Amino acid sequence: RKEVEQDPGPFNVPEGATVAFNCTYSNSASQSFFWYRQDCRKEPKLLMSVYSSGNEDGRFTAQLNRASQYISLLIRDSKLSDSATYLCVVNLNDMRFGAGTRLTVKP
Amino acid sequence: NAGVTQTPKFRILKIGQSMTLQCAQDMNHNYMYWYRQDPGMGLKLIYYSVGAGITDKGEVPNGYNVSRSTTEDFPLRLELAAPSQTSVYFCASSLNPGTGEEKLFFGSGTQLSVL
Repeated sequence: RKEVEQDPGPFNVPEGATVAFNCTYSNSASQSFFWYRQDCRKEPKLLMSVYSSGNEDGRFTAQLNRASQYISLLIRDSKLSDSATYLCVVNLNDMRFGAGTRLTVKP
Repeated sequence: NAGVTQTPKFRILKIGQSMTLQCAQDMNHNYMYWYRQDPGMGLKLIYYSVGAGITDKGEVPNGYNVSRSTTEDFPLRLELAAPSQTSVYFCASSLNPGTGEEKLFFGSGTQLSVL
């Protein structure tokens, strides 16, 4: 089993749609969790950290379920500029990335 | 403040050649990482370091070597380049994980082709 697994995608949604990405991790001792965004051929950039209580940043909401070893990212009111690959990252003394989920938002 | 600087940006190697990818950060970060990213895939951890003099293997260390003689520098060495090492390589650094300051700062990447 891979340490970090994500929905393979791709997700193609219209502007204004709500879309959710899921990620599971295999090591229950994992310490911290993140969502990164990567635009084509660019370095990844931190979108948000994921806390046990859940956290929100504008149109983006992240949730963590430690019991199920599962994290999620919800994007509301999708914009064209949200088109990117979203990477789940899990920290257990090192930082491990999921394979990424490609999102395309269409007019 | 330069952040994380990676060189070169592009390189073509012949099979069997050697090269070193350079990575330097000026943020006094303890943790540094090397990742590779194949087309359409996520980042795979090659090696990481928790501080000067300490390095550890990641998911895909075979064919690579690293050193961490200073806090600032974390070079990645390919000794005998193979076509399977054709990829985009990213260096990153962070403060100590688990402290709430784990944000990864990335270099701009190196596109390496082995022919």
